[in-house]
Amino acid sequence: DIQMTQSPSSLSASVGDRVTITCRASQSISRYLNWYQQKPGKAPKFLINVASALQSGVPSRFSGSGSGTNFTFIISSLQPEDFATYYCQQSYSTPLTFGGGTKVEIK
Amino acid sequence: QVQLVESGGGVVQPGRSLRLSCAASGFSFSNHGMHWVRQAPGKGLEWVAVISYDGSTKYYADSVKGRFTVSRDSSKNTLHLQMNSLRVEDTAVYYCAKGEDTGIVGASFDYWGQGTLVTVSA
Repeated sequence: DIQMTQSPSSLSASVGDRVTITCRASQSISRYLNWYQQKPGKAPKFLINVASALQSGVPSRFSGSGSGTNFTFIISSLQPEDFATYYCQQSYSTPLTFGGGTKVEIK
Repeated sequence: QVQLVESGGGVVQPGRSLRLSCAASGFSFSNHGMHWVRQAPGKGLEWVAVISYDGSTKYYADSVKGRFTVSRDSSKNTLHLQMNSLRVEDTAVYYCAKGEDTGIVGASFDYWGQGTLVTVSA
């Protein structure tokens, strides 16, 4: 099974800050890496697939990059509505696996 | 617009069974792989199972293999998850999620339902 390791597990940031989250796969997954946002009590929301393709309607302050085993998710200027938990997920092979999540909190 | 509505959750004793359903609308159901993903209280996301667009291929997480069965009824645009021999550790919110395309691997979960809570407790 492919293990996905996200870091940090949590972070505190202020509105306007640049936020960076990393996701590492235990083996190469090419670019089969997706990112989701989840707010408390809500279903996850799909943000980015194939490492860097922003989904329709997702603000351009969100971006993703990487390939192989190392991936990065960036929020260029944190907005109040961005406080949430973010998950990476590999779709390279079954079992499909998620990272442990990164909770972005208000400083 | 795409809608996924889960039902069938509830409280059940360990060892018993439960069947979840997910009613899909707003897209061509028979052209997409469909997934179940769960989230234990206060924990992260765990993929549970996938069924291919035509129902011919199914994969499961090791934690549920042999106990859970995923199926689909394309005449009713409905996804099911039959859960047998339930354990306390199966307690979670169960989400159905639409695969981005016909594939099982390579596709992301582009739409999610609101989830249904399954509580396994004596």
